[in-house]
Amino acid sequence: DAKTTQPTSMDCAEGRAANLPCNHSTISGNEYVYWYRQIHSQGPQYIIHGLKNNETNEMASLIITEDRKSSTLILPHATLRDTAVYYCIVRGQYSGAGSYQLTFGKGTKLSVIP
Amino acid sequence: DTGVSQDPRHKITKRGQNVTFRCDPISEHNRLYWYRQTLGQGPEFLTYFQNEAQLEKSRLLSDRFSAERPKGSFSTLEIQRTEQGDSAMYLCASSSIRLNTEAFFGQGTRLTVV
Repeated sequence: DAKTTQPTSMDCAEGRAANLPCNHSTISGNEYVYWYRQIHSQGPQYIIHGLKNNETNEMASLIITEDRKSSTLILPHATLRDTAVYYCIVRGQYSGAGSYQLTFGKGTKLSVIP
Repeated sequence: DTGVSQDPRHKITKRGQNVTFRCDPISEHNRLYWYRQTLGQGPEFLTYFQNEAQLEKSRLLSDRFSAERPKGSFSTLEIQRTEQGDSAMYLCASSSIRLNTEAFFGQGTRLTVV
């Protein structure tokens, strides 16, 4: 799996958009970008994933650059409950080789400040 | 609750003892995964099952670690002759190829070896 690079920590004011960057310059053509988050003392929670088009769901938006070497997770209106460690992961498709494994880095610790 | 369930949530054991953790995946999820997470690190993949078959176990940390999923439903992770370095959070996740779902994680079992 391709490696990802994320900032160690970020702050965001409550109610503002949180933009979390991720670099994945060695991503291959069939690899997806996934985002998970982990709130303190809980298991990781799936947020969103995408291949090359921008994606949006009820939790967040994912913006992937045209060259696919980087992406940004956007939480449009951050709340205190969004304080967590956010992991950007690159992974192959469901049934492909290595698709069973999520390779987590250290992620970005997002602190939402009142 | 139809999420991934892990038991126990916390376990304190003396060095040298054997411990066993249980994971009940989401119903109809045919894939089940075990991860380990140490303090300050992201989760680390250990092993996974597709139905009752253990398809990847090379990442188990040593031969003291073993996992089973005898009927393709719940799974157990056993650590024999525990060491202080085994102290960590042990996470279970499940997913479904047929339903095309992402991996959903349980709350984890926190092991402390004293």
